[in-house]
Amino acid sequence: AQSVTQLDSQVPVFEEAPVELRCNYSSSVSVYLFWYVQYPNQGLQLLLKYLSGSTLVKGINGFEAEFNKSQTSFHLRKPSVHISDTAEYFCAVSGKGGGSNYKLTFGKGTLLTVNP
Amino acid sequence: GAGVSQSPSNKVTEKGKDVELRCDPISGHTALYWYRQSLGQGLEFLIYFQGNSAPDKSGLPSDRFSAERTGGSVSTLTIQRTQQEDSAVYLCASSPARPGTGETQYFGPGTRLLVL
Repeated sequence: AQSVTQLDSQVPVFEEAPVELRCNYSSSVSVYLFWYVQYPNQGLQLLLKYLSGSTLVKGINGFEAEFNKSQTSFHLRKPSVHISDTAEYFCAVSGKGGGSNYKLTFGKGTLLTVNP
Repeated sequence: GAGVSQSPSNKVTEKGKDVELRCDPISGHTALYWYRQSLGQGLEFLIYFQGNSAPDKSGLPSDRFSAERTGGSVSTLTIQRTQQEDSAVYLCASSPARPGTGETQYFGPGTRLLVL
């Protein structure tokens, strides 16, 4: 089984400031890693995902994340945020291969609030 | 193209009543997932369908919960004898790929259920 910890439940930042949302995971097998974003009253939308290869993954809306296997982390970053980035961000993990590891396990989310 | 749709968007019911929640996945997507999103609990996996069969029902919280999928398309989640703790947002997601492959899940906007 996998688990995900998002260390910050809320992150307030000012517009045009950089931001990092932290995510750590635990798994006994190799993993795929995801970041999803949820805007108010909407479903989740994929920002980016790590499958294999380069540990730096670029996603939509200028976000990127880096997979660090030794630290079991997958932190999300953006160099300059906009008001429109205000949303809840979920880190998720699924295990490679068969068995029950396939399930997408989510962290509890980080609410990013961008202030003018 | 059309995304995942869910109906109703909001449902208010009285304790003890049965409710049915509907999910229309993206056309051609073979995998379908139900999740529950509640305050403080994050997103919990409920059930997964591949085609019309449900190989994994392990996330259903009790025997009051059931789900079916017909024609490899529409899915219905039924909650019998609703309880106040069933109040949550129920999210549906679909995917064109089999689970455990790092597939992207495409989420609907959810059904917000309130049990009085």
